Amino acid sequence: DAKTTQPPSMDCAEGRAANLPCNHSTISGNEYVYWYRQIHSQGPQYIIHGLKNNETNEMASLIITEDRKSSTLILPHATLRDTAVYYCIVRLPVDYKLSFGAGTTVTVRA
Amino acid sequence: DTEVTQTPKHLVMGMTNKKSLKCEQHMGHRAMYWYKQKAKKPPELMFVYSYEKLSINESVPSRFSPECPNSSLLNLHLHALQPEDSALYLCASSHPSLVPRDGTQYFGPGTRLLVL
Repeated sequence: DAKTTQPPSMDCAEGRAANLPCNHSTISGNEYVYWYRQIHSQGPQYIIHGLKNNETNEMASLIITEDRKSSTLILPHATLRDTAVYYCIVRLPVDYKLSFGAGTTVTVRA
Repeated sequence: DTEVTQTPKHLVMGMTNKKSLKCEQHMGHRAMYWYKQKAKKPPELMFVYSYEKLSINESVPSRFSPECPNSSLLNLHLHALQPEDSALYLCASSHPSLVPRDGTQYFGPGTRLLVL
């Protein structure tokens, strides 16, 4: 019952920006957008989250459209270590459950 | 420090064995979680503990028995498992969801379980 749609896979070149799209057209006003990634055989790693405004941290930037129906995760300078499955998740802060969808498998190529 | 530790990293057990998975965090989080992840699938929630009390059980079979002995520790007791229970078991922790806007879950590396 994932509420997001992501492309199944994408490639990007090392050193270039990687732009990962996510559609969440049924998002409600209080739901946040979270991004996690999972490198092969490791636990999911929190990247960033946001509600309305664009957010940036040391790992990535999150751009949320004004209508909040879609967002883009930007990895500014992709490295080979960024190869992973990236999950976009929407949830209310009061919800314990993280509903992971299929995610986007990102492959960074040298 | 956003570290959640899990032991063991790998576990092989027979269907008649009893084993336990352990999870520990020292971030002061009062919500802890067990997820199960089958190969090439996303993680699925199993249990949630909030303030050391079980608050969510996602209809998990009774051969999986969670325990939260204190605010830093979470165990998952395994008994009479089936081969289809082979998976990566992930632990996570967060502030309880009552804390506004700060329910970010932090995951451990997981225990890879093989049931023979």
